[in-house]
Amino acid sequence: EPEVTQTPSHQVTQMGQEVILRCVPISNHLYFYWYRQILGQKVEFLVSFYNNEISEKSEIFDDQFSVERPDGSNFTLKIRSTKLEDSAMYFCASKGNPETQYFGPGTRLLVL
Amino acid sequence: KQEVTQIPAALSVPEGENLVLNCSFTDSAIYNLQWFRQDPGKGLTSLLLIQSSQREQTSGRLNASLDKSSGRSTLYIAASQPGDSATYLCAVMRGTSGSRLTFGEGTQLTVNP
Repeated sequence: EPEVTQTPSHQVTQMGQEVILRCVPISNHLYFYWYRQILGQKVEFLVSFYNNEISEKSEIFDDQFSVERPDGSNFTLKIRSTKLEDSAMYFCASKGNPETQYFGPGTRLLVL
Repeated sequence: KQEVTQIPAALSVPEGENLVLNCSFTDSAIYNLQWFRQDPGKGLTSLLLIQSSQREQTSGRLNASLDKSSGRSTLYIAASQPGDSATYLCAVMRGTSGSRLTFGEGTQLTVNP
């Protein structure tokens, strides 16, 4: 069964460093998403991407965040200058037709 | 702003019991509702999706219902097993296809052998 994959599974970085989280969505899906879950808190929406552009973003998704689909298979989230509060599990998701959003296993980001 | 609440926050039951998890949402203008399972430190596994026009969906021992007008959904698990132990998350998609999911905090279920 097709699945969403994410790399790396774990990332440790220093505050102020740039990180890129990578995702390979399910191949025939057209909608792509990033969510995050801070330890012990709800899963929160960051951004959605459709037709090669951002379709929706939350108030969390400020100028330090960016997304890109650099080729036909990858979908990336870049955090330009990481802060301690960016430590979280980051989930990529994709959606085709029908409406179910399928989530990847996540990248655990720890900012020191 | 859509708010999603799940009750109870935690539930512990003996194996074989039937159980109900509850989800409520404040804005009834939803497109669909999705139930997920999350194992500790893992990703989210989709269990069931109910479109706003539907009343319920079934998959194996799971049955999810939706009452859009009252802003409520329930997940019924029949004949629970220890392998069902996980956190169950409810998420709603607002008005249009492809929109964001808004999640509840989840119900942590423990099924004791």
